[in-house]
Amino acid sequence: EAQVTQNPRYLITVTGKKLTVTCSQNMNHEYMSWYRQDPGLGLRQIYYSMNVEVTDKGDVPEGYKVSRKEKRNFPLILESPSPNQTSLYFCASSLNPLQTQYFGPGTRLLVL
Amino acid sequence: AQTVTQSQPEMSVQEAETVTLSCTYDTSESDYYLFWYKQPPSRQMILVIRQEAYKQQNATENRFSVNFQKAAKSFSLKISDSQLGDAAMYFCAYRWGPGANNLFFGTGTRLTVIP
Repeated sequence: EAQVTQNPRYLITVTGKKLTVTCSQNMNHEYMSWYRQDPGLGLRQIYYSMNVEVTDKGDVPEGYKVSRKEKRNFPLILESPSPNQTSLYFCASSLNPLQTQYFGPGTRLLVL
Repeated sequence: AQTVTQSQPEMSVQEAETVTLSCTYDTSESDYYLFWYKQPPSRQMILVIRQEAYKQQNATENRFSVNFQKAAKSFSLKISDSQLGDAAMYFCAYRWGPGANNLFFGTGTRLTVIP
């Protein structure tokens, strides 16, 4: 089954404790993105990747890092989480820039 | 700057009736794509329908159809024969190429279906 998976689905952590949210797709898509969703703000792009080893900042990259060592994986790293990073996070992938993005199930993060 | 506006934070519809969700966007591009995504309580983002700007014909997917008015920069979603399972947040999104940092979302419309 073609899908985008994210882990964990739910995470509660404390300020400053490094964490990684994994994202994996099995559709051989070149383009992958991370979004955060906050009430009243819709989805905002954090980082994106156009291919292996090619990543760039989205609209709200502060406090986040990503890597793309393999085509299928695009982990999101929070080196020192803060409470303002409490949010719902989505990973998405698409075949190319103009095609439909397919979203993972979301990761709900709470930073205390 | 590209922006997407959904002016209806909440809408409601009687089961089996028809409802239209509004979306407008601002762009200087001529070639782009428009999407409607549905987000049910499970929080999954599900593609409902997409429209290529170069196509004059409005996209249709079963009970879902769009009214795409390119000159007016309007992209509304019509849901016919509404079902209880249609209750969700609906997001309008706009995308243009060739870069990847180019998917813009509206703030969403929460649709309630009344039995």
